[in-house]
Amino acid sequence: QQPVQSPQAVILREGEDAVINCSSSKALYSVHWYRQKHGEAPVFLMILLKGGEQKGHDKISASFNEKKQQSSLYLTASQLSYSGTYFCGTEMNSGGYQKVTFGTGTKLQVIP
Amino acid sequence: DAGITQSPRHKVTETGTPVTLRCHQTENHRYMYWYRQDPGHGLRLIHYSYGVKDTDKGEVSDGYSVSRSKTEDFLLTLESATSSQTSVYFCAISESRAGGRQPQHFGDGTRLSIL
Repeated sequence: QQPVQSPQAVILREGEDAVINCSSSKALYSVHWYRQKHGEAPVFLMILLKGGEQKGHDKISASFNEKKQQSSLYLTASQLSYSGTYFCGTEMNSGGYQKVTFGTGTKLQVIP
Repeated sequence: DAGITQSPRHKVTETGTPVTLRCHQTENHRYMYWYRQDPGHGLRLIHYSYGVKDTDKGEVSDGYSVSRSKTEDFLLTLESATSSQTSVYFCAISESRAGGRQPQHFGDGTRLSIL
């Protein structure tokens, strides 16, 4: 089941904050976040495991609420380099072979 | 950067011809994946491998086959290409490590056009 991301697109001015949400209709074991710049490969940002943890990566952080089957990515004081498409990927099983299902992406544009 | 090489990087071919894409890794990672990326659909898993000769289907596997005869190589074959298989194809790899999940590292992609 493909996770649902919102919003589909967002435009920010430098220094503004943004939140990207990822939700699933099924119970989740882990959530992955990736960023892809135009014409490039997706790049790993962070993984959150079941347990409600929150992680940070520079001024980008994320939370995982397993009861709501949701994860949110927080971009603080956005920079021009944050522009790109953000994908969440979800895993439902703790066993198995680390199979991730990706959402359709959120296109983020940061303008001066 | 993870050592992943996809070849070819670009290919144009005709409907009905067979096509093979190659993914080569130098990281000795256990897991390898093939995705296709199309506007509005994000990344969709075609097939994946959890070891040599061990593969399984993803969500969009119809019309595709894979093989992994060595740890470092994962081949994706379109037996008889159709225009609906025009897409950007990404290979990804990830480690197997106890105690948690590992990130996927992506190759630079192959842009495939089927006329």
